[in-house]
Amino acid sequence: GAVVSQHPSWVICKSGTSVKIECRSLDFQATTMFWYRQFPKQSLMLMATSNEGSKATYEQGVEKDKFLINHASLTLSTLTVTSAHPEDSSFYICSASQLNDGYTFGSGTRLTVV
Amino acid sequence: LAKTTQPISMDSYEGQEVNITCSHNNIATNDYITWYQQFPSQGPRFIIQGYKTKVTNEVASLFIPADRKSSTLSLPRVSLSDTAVYYCLVGDFTGTASKLTFGTGTRLQVTL
Repeated sequence: GAVVSQHPSWVICKSGTSVKIECRSLDFQATTMFWYRQFPKQSLMLMATSNEGSKATYEQGVEKDKFLINHASLTLSTLTVTSAHPEDSSFYICSASQLNDGYTFGSGTRLTVV
Repeated sequence: LAKTTQPISMDSYEGQEVNITCSHNNIATNDYITWYQQFPSQGPRFIIQGYKTKVTNEVASLFIPADRKSSTLSLPRVSLSDTAVYYCLVGDFTGTASKLTFGTGTRLQVTL
């Protein structure tokens, strides 16, 4: 089945710095990818839809200037958390779909802002 | 997307069959029912998907009544490694740009 690779698996950064998370679709092309955020003991919350070659669409309440999404190729989407603060500490997960093969999720990135 | 309701948590002993029911009263004609499993600090993993009646694969069965307003995920003979959160999702997943909306999920705890 389809494989989605996410990197890094965990990252610690200082408050005020930016962090980039990569999401790659392996062996298939994904014109659309999705970014989720998950706080401890909570469900996944959709943050934004990443569209190859065009702007991402953000869910209500998600700051587009803080969570920059770039989908420059059919196999790579990146999420950059800018000027990170401790409240941005969370588990970030991406997903993509190969036609007729369902939706596959990356392994997630644990972000800790200190 | 149709809203789903499932029990917050369930407990089971190893070797038992576990049935997790999900309610989705507002399911649309084109909607499918999909179940995902999530272990701590990992992304969700696809378990099974169905539209109606019964679907079975190597890990689970999915039972869907005729009115499709609910579904039941059945895990035969669970083991400790089945301890995880199970999410029921409903939507038209035939394309590649469908937003997946996760509900609360069911936290399954399997013990000896």
